[in-house]
Amino acid sequence: AQKITQTQPGMFVQEKEAVTLDCTYDTSDQSYGLFWYKQPSSGEMIFLIYQGSYDEQNATEGRYSLNFQKARKSANLVISASQLGDSAMYFCAMTMDSNYQLIWGAGTKLIIKP
Amino acid sequence: DGGITQSPKYLFRKEGQNVTLSCEQNLNHDAMYWYRQDPGQGLRLIYYSQIVNDFQKGDIAEGYSVSREKKESFPLTVTSAQKNPTAFYLCASRPLWDNQPQHFGDGTRLSIL
Repeated sequence: AQKITQTQPGMFVQEKEAVTLDCTYDTSDQSYGLFWYKQPSSGEMIFLIYQGSYDEQNATEGRYSLNFQKARKSANLVISASQLGDSAMYFCAMTMDSNYQLIWGAGTKLIIKP
Repeated sequence: DGGITQSPKYLFRKEGQNVTLSCEQNLNHDAMYWYRQDPGQGLRLIYYSQIVNDFQKGDIAEGYSVSREKKESFPLTVTSAQKNPTAFYLCASRPLWDNQPQHFGDGTRLSIL
């Protein structure tokens, strides 16, 4: 069965430091997609970054990058130069068989300290 | 601006009452989704729809119902059969071609009176 695991329930990081949020996944599909979302305390879900299983390069979007290690089935989110506004819940998600549904991890609560 | 609008932002339900949460999108997306989020938890899929007049149950559909009469609209009814409805409800949509992220509304917080 497909599964997403985020092993860090919470993290404290000093402002301006880089942050790595862990995500491991389990699937027997050859073609799949991995997404990261940010959820501030206000509740909205904000799409951050996408990685396809056949993409040879790690995805990057501004300060966000995805450390994709296919053999290890990991898709860790890296935030460079963290800011106070990065404090939020972060969710990793993966496409399911149909490609139209997502399976979600439990999330990691990130708190940036000034 | 294109987006997804959920209303109301806060909703209170009395025992035995059905309530309907609204979700409207002007992104011309074919697929729409309803999720439930409990405090400190991830998202669980309630229902989803890929086309008008068709929808499928997700993992926790019991006690909920939906309709998809228009492409833009996907309302969720929380029925009296749902015994623990207090949660945060998120609506999302996406185009049907590959690798597209789901876009979310701002959510509705439902509480029992």
